Amino acid sequence: DIQMTQSPSSLSASVGDRVTITCRASQGIRNDLGWYQQKPGKAPKRLIYAASTLQSGVPSRLSGSGSGTEFTLTISSLQPEDFATYYCLQYNSYPWTFGQGTKVEIK
Amino acid sequence: EVQLVESGGGLVQPGGSLRLSCAASGFTFRSYWMHWVRQAPGKGLVWVSGIDSDGSTTTYADSVKGRFTISRDNAKNTLYLQMNSLRAEDTAVYYCVRGTPPDYWGQGTLVTVSS
Repeated sequence: DIQMTQSPSSLSASVGDRVTITCRASQGIRNDLGWYQQKPGKAPKRLIYAASTLQSGVPSRLSGSGSGTEFTLTISSLQPEDFATYYCLQYNSYPWTFGQGTKVEIK
Repeated sequence: EVQLVESGGGLVQPGGSLRLSCAASGFTFRSYWMHWVRQAPGKGLVWVSGIDSDGSTTTYADSVKGRFTISRDNAKNTLYLQMNSLRAEDTAVYYCVRGTPPDYWGQGTLVTVSS
């Protein structure tokens, strides 16, 4: 199975801060990676797929990059609605595996 | 508008069975792979199972293989998850998810396995 190591597990940041979350795959997954945002009591919402393609309707302050084994999600200027938990997901091979999640909290 | 509505969750005793359903609308259901993903209380997301567009290919996480069965009825636009021999560690919200790569998620249905 492909292991996805996501870091950090949590972070505290202020509105306007630049935030970066990283996922590392235990083996190469090309660009078969998505990023998801989840708010308490809600279903996850897709932000990015194919490592860097922004989902329609997602603000451009979010971006994804990477290929192979190293991937990042960047929020260029954190907004109040961005406080949530973020997960990466590799869909290159079964079983699909998620990162452990990153909880973004208000400083 | 794409909609995925799960149902069938509830409280079940260890060793019991439950069948989850996911009613799909707003898209051509028979054209998509579909999946189940679960989330234990306070924990992360875990992929459970997937099925191809015509139901001929299925795949499972090791933790549920032999106990859970995924299926679909394309005439009814419905995805199913038959869960047998349930264990306490199967307690989770179960989400129905569309596609590869996955895009839309249902709101989830809670399964609680407890005596």
